[in-house]
Amino acid sequence: KQEVTQIPAALSVPEGENLVLNCSFTDSAIYNLQWFRQDPGKGLTSLLLIQSSQREQTSGRLNASLDKSSGRSTLYIAASQPGDSATYLCAVRGGTASKLTFGTGTRLQVTL
Amino acid sequence: GAVVSQHPSWVICKSGTSVKIECRSLDFQATTMFWYRQFPKQSLMLMATSNEGSKATYEQGVEKDKFLINHASLTLSTLTVTSAHPEDSSFYICSASGQGIRSGANVLTFGAGSRLTVL
Repeated sequence: KQEVTQIPAALSVPEGENLVLNCSFTDSAIYNLQWFRQDPGKGLTSLLLIQSSQREQTSGRLNASLDKSSGRSTLYIAASQPGDSATYLCAVRGGTASKLTFGTGTRLQVTL
Repeated sequence: GAVVSQHPSWVICKSGTSVKIECRSLDFQATTMFWYRQFPKQSLMLMATSNEGSKATYEQGVEKDKFLINHASLTLSTLTVTSAHPEDSSFYICSASGQGIRSGANVLTFGAGSRLTVL
């Protein structure tokens, strides 16, 4: 059974700092890995999707890496802003029609 | 783009009543729907997976007679919480997987969620 863990559970940083969120998964046989953002009481917004054959994906200030063999992914956020404050979830997919298994989430707060 | 419309966004009901949550896919055919539950400060837990026209597959520990899922068309799936109790209070999110009507590309999109409070 796939298990996904995210560290840290919560993080508070001052505006402008670069930061890294970590995600680890127990079964390396994944189809893809996805990072989401969730604002309080809201649904999910997809940030980055990395296929199993890829090593990283970039979108603006966000960069996600994937090391399938070690069961790890990181989300790097450059020059953080207060608007980045949210919960970040990573999720892995085992196959094309397989369900997503979500991580425990990291609650990020970027302070002024 | 592919959008999932989830309704209602929040609902308050009395204990013992039933509540229906709808998810509609816009601009794509949702061949598979996933229903998740999220308790405060916890991650999403998959409740069930349904394919259009078939019975839903429930995750271990989820009561299928309590959480009724209907996926009768490629654009609509419903989750009915029957005889709701306070412990059913949670945030319910649907996710739809399918092909874009115009693009033909595979999509996976989440609804905005429904907050259920049972008094």
